[in-house]
Amino acid sequence: AQKVTQAQTEISVVEKEDVTLDCVYETRDTTYYLFWYKQPPSGELVFLIRRNSFDEQNEISGRYSWNFQKSTSSFNFTITASQVVDSAVYFCALPYNTGFQKLVFGTGTRLLVSP
Amino acid sequence: GAGVSQSPSNKVTEKGKDVELRCDPISGHTALYWYRQSLGQGLEFLIYFQGNSAPDKSGLPSDRFSAERTGGSVSTLTIQRTQQEDSAVYLCASSLPPGQLLVAQYFGPGTRLLVL
Repeated sequence: AQKVTQAQTEISVVEKEDVTLDCVYETRDTTYYLFWYKQPPSGELVFLIRRNSFDEQNEISGRYSWNFQKSTSSFNFTITASQVVDSAVYFCALPYNTGFQKLVFGTGTRLLVSP
Repeated sequence: GAGVSQSPSNKVTEKGKDVELRCDPISGHTALYWYRQSLGQGLEFLIYFQGNSAPDKSGLPSDRFSAERTGGSVSTLTIQRTQQEDSAVYLCASSLPPGQLLVAQYFGPGTRLLVL
């Protein structure tokens, strides 16, 4: 069955620190997608990134970077030089089945960035 | 452009009453999803609409839950005879038509439902 594990329930850092959010997944599919979403205090889930299993190249977008490793079934997310506005709950997700859009979400990691 | 909108933003109801939650997807998005977020269960898929195809209702927790999508746009999630365990945030998302590549879902702000 599809499963996403985010073992870190809550992380607290001070502004400008780097922080890595872990995501470990289980899937029966040979090809699949992984997603990260951010949920700020306002409550709206904001799409951050989609990766497919064909491509293990790390991706960087500004202060955000993602490390995808199929060998360890992990898709970790790093925020460099964190800011207070990064405070949110971050969710990792993958589809129930290949070709299906409905997502299985992890339990989320709450990130608190203090000034 | 406008994002996904949901109404009401908050709803308080008494146990046993029916409620209707509304979702207005992003224009041009043919796929629409409902999820529920609660403390005990996290984020759970409820139902998925894609164009004129039969909806995927596999996530609906009981027959008290139903949803429809009129004209391929606005969707209404109805909960009949509400129970206290229905209290949660109900999130709607929409996306472009999924093809060979899965597409990103864009979420609305949610409706916070409290059943007393």
